[in-house]
Amino acid sequence: QVQLVQSGAEVKKPGSSVKVSCKASGGIFRNYAISWLRQAPGQGPEWMGRITPILGAPNYAQKFQGRVTITADKSTSTAYMELSSLRSEDTAVYYCAADSEVPGLRAPNWFGPWGQGTLVTVSS
Amino acid sequence: DIQMTQSPSSLSASVGDRVTITCRASQSISSYLNWYQQKPGKAPKVLIFGASSLQSGVPSRFSGRGSGTDFTLTISSLQPEDFATYYCQQSYSSPRTFGQGTKVEVK
Repeated sequence: QVQLVQSGAEVKKPGSSVKVSCKASGGIFRNYAISWLRQAPGQGPEWMGRITPILGAPNYAQKFQGRVTITADKSTSTAYMELSSLRSEDTAVYYCAADSEVPGLRAPNWFGPWGQGTLVTVSS
Repeated sequence: DIQMTQSPSSLSASVGDRVTITCRASQSISSYLNWYQQKPGKAPKVLIFGASSLQSGVPSRFSGRGSGTDFTLTISSLQPEDFATYYCQQSYSSPRTFGQGTKVEVK
């Protein structure tokens, strides 16, 4: 069964870091990249970055460069997203999603399936 | 970054109604446009990719049209399970960006 299962909700203090995990099954790790997106209340999703597990090379949205680290453990088919220097504006639901984009290839691509989401609350 | 603007931001409709949602890109994105459906407390699910291709398992009452900068999602006959929020997303260039959403509510 193709699915992504994320770790549970987190409450963090401003200035700290959070690390969210995403365990893949059903061949996702072999066949897709994993993207991380977040969705603040009442807003559309926002792409943060991605990693191709078989290659290991991540790339990040410029907005999050320097603050986000995405890694993948092929032995456990688990991807991780760590966001540092947290502020209140980082309060959101964070999702991992299978990503069909092939860098350098101009072809339709989309996000899916998605994990169930992880609520990260940043509050003092 | 390419900005995606949806209209309306919300609409009220009844079961059986024909519903159309519009998405406009700030520059041409050819046909690299996806539509997602999101229900409360759930992750988005892709309905349409490449502007007009129906994802496997998605009912045929959903359809997408457009190219360049202007796109539409149409639900031909709204069903009870279609009340949700819909997002467009461009896959033309990085960073891939989403619209702000259109909430389809019960009239």
